[in-house]
Amino acid sequence: DTEVTQTPKHLVMGMTNKKSLKCEQHMGHRAMYWYKQKAKKPPELMFVYSYEKLSINESVPSRFSPECPNSSLLNLHLHALQPEDSALYLCASSQQGHLNTEAFFGQGTRLTVV
Amino acid sequence: RKEVEQDPGPFNVPEGATVAFNCTYSNSASQSFFWYRQDCRKEPKLLMSVYSSGNEDGRFTAQLNRASQYISLLIRDSKLSDSATYLCVVTTNAGKSTFGDGTTLTVKP
Repeated sequence: DTEVTQTPKHLVMGMTNKKSLKCEQHMGHRAMYWYKQKAKKPPELMFVYSYEKLSINESVPSRFSPECPNSSLLNLHLHALQPEDSALYLCASSQQGHLNTEAFFGQGTRLTVV
Repeated sequence: RKEVEQDPGPFNVPEGATVAFNCTYSNSASQSFFWYRQDCRKEPKLLMSVYSSGNEDGRFTAQLNRASQYISLLIRDSKLSDSATYLCVVTTNAGKSTFGDGTTLTVKP
């Protein structure tokens, strides 16, 4: 079982909705990540938080808004998404920043935008 | 040219076969290297970190060649359960991690 927990596992939302994805880890990791994965493609990095501060934003559109309330939690707020944003959203954490130590992934939230 | 490139798949091998995957990277400042495994509709899971001296874990051997800028993964005595997509990950010293496109392995009875 993964030690990174993501909720919800599945989400269907309309283009005018506002929703949030949640991620939690209790391994004491200080780096947390959001990735987006489309079918048959590798994960694409969206955001990196290191010591609760946003350290990397891979030019993600502002309709995706990350938030790190504390060292164990990472949220991704969604607003006015497009159908092409439908994908698997993966959260990951690692002991140190920048994925240069072992990273643990959550099971993901499968998002469908209608 | 992509920052990280992997052998195009799929690889279809019989049980017991030895199979090798390569992954090349373009940024010479790359610092950390990993192999992840991803099963269908599941999250990626770390298979091995890749060290300069090479490392082995049971049937799996990973190697790094900094001069030629590639990493490799060797699987010996393939099992049916090894069927998955194998992703290499390369992290630069600036902290950016890039996944390769993945190589799909199918081990058949």
